[in-house]
Amino acid sequence: DIQMTQSPSSLSASVGDRVTITCQASQDISNYLNWYQQKPGKAPKLLIYDASSLETGVPSRFSGSGSGTDFTLIINSLQPDDVATYYCQQYHNLLRITFGGGTKVERK
Amino acid sequence: QVQLVESGGGLVKPGESLRLSCAASGFIFSDHYMAWIRQAPGKGLEWISYISSSGSYRYYADSVKGRFTISRDNANNSLYLQMNSLRPEDTAVYFCTRDATSGGDRFDYWGQGALVTVSS
Repeated sequence: DIQMTQSPSSLSASVGDRVTITCQASQDISNYLNWYQQKPGKAPKLLIYDASSLETGVPSRFSGSGSGTDFTLIINSLQPDDVATYYCQQYHNLLRITFGGGTKVERK
Repeated sequence: QVQLVESGGGLVKPGESLRLSCAASGFIFSDHYMAWIRQAPGKGLEWISYISSSGSYRYYADSVKGRFTISRDNANNSLYLQMNSLRPEDTAVYFCTRDATSGGDRFDYWGQGALVTVSS
């Protein structure tokens, strides 16, 4: 299976900060990478698909980039509502979809 | 609007069975692949099963292959997960999810989740 490694596992940032989360795949997955946001007690929400496409309705302060094995999710100007855990997900192998371990974003 | 509502979760003993249901509404159910994804308490997300729009193709993670069966009823806009020979490590919240396309790539809608607890 393709392993997805996220870093950091947690971070603390202030409102207005730029937040960067990385996701590394254990092999080349092209741009077959999605990002999700999960708030406590809630279902995940799709933010970014195909590595860099913003899902409809998601604020433009969220952006994604990368291809191959290295990917980045950026939150420009962190808002209080962005406190959540973020997961990357690869679909290079549709029969072996895997998620990263998650990055918990807290407010400083 | 799109809604996915799971039901059927609960507390069972190891070795027992349970069937989860997911009622879909607000979209053409028969046009979409559907999937089950689970999350153990305090842990990350694990994809466990996919079913094609017609139900002809079904895929499973190794962790549940041979024990779980995914199915769907397009006439009644429903998705199911039959779980047999349950183990304590199957304890998790199980999410019903919609694949945005027919090819299996991104999960654009999720249910609220159904908690399954396997304990003696």
